[in-house]
Amino acid sequence: EDQVTQSPEALRLQEGESSSLNCSYTVSGLRGLFWYRQDPGKGPEFLFTLYSAGEEKEKERLKATLTKKESFLHITAPKPEDSATYLCAVQAHGGAQKLVFGQGTRLTINP
Amino acid sequence: GAVVSQHPSRVICKSGTSVKIECRSLDFQATTMFWYRQFPKQSLMLMATSNEGSKATYEQGVEKDKFLINHASLTLSTLTVTSAHPEDSSFYICSARVFRVKEQGRFSYEQYFGPGTRLTVT
Repeated sequence: EDQVTQSPEALRLQEGESSSLNCSYTVSGLRGLFWYRQDPGKGPEFLFTLYSAGEEKEKERLKATLTKKESFLHITAPKPEDSATYLCAVQAHGGAQKLVFGQGTRLTINP
Repeated sequence: GAVVSQHPSRVICKSGTSVKIECRSLDFQATTMFWYRQFPKQSLMLMATSNEGSKATYEQGVEKDKFLINHASLTLSTLTVTSAHPEDSSFYICSARVFRVKEQGRFSYEQYFGPGTRLTVT
């Protein structure tokens, strides 16, 4: 069974304090690993899709990396507006097309 | 980026009535759309997957006669909650997937979410 575990559950940082969020996964053949940002009361906002180990993608202060077992979302010099829940999901090759989500990391950036 | 809209954003209905939620991909065609529900402080729970022109595939434990899904076109899917009860109150989110073929044979899968619909059944 495909599984995604995100850590930590919650993270508080000071503005400008860089850190990383972890997404560990087990999947029977990875088609893609997805990162989303979700603000309270809103739908998830697409950030990245990663396809193979060694791949990296960047968007503003965020950088996502991928290995065969986990993905990291690095946030550099975060600002209060980066506060949100960050969700990781995997999609496997094969019949089922669905994303399997982790429980998310709730990130709070204090000014 | 790609935009997915949902309507309505909030709905309050009485127990026993039916509610329809629309999901549209505004600037792309989506062969596959998904419906999720989300409880407070929890992750997304997939309810069903729908492909344009075919019947939806429901996840285990989701009643297909209660949650009717119609994927009428490549840009529109609807979820109808029939005979709603208070326990159906939740945040419903649709999602649309796009498969893009890029240069040199590379491809990308991107899945975009709507803003969600807050359903309250009284």
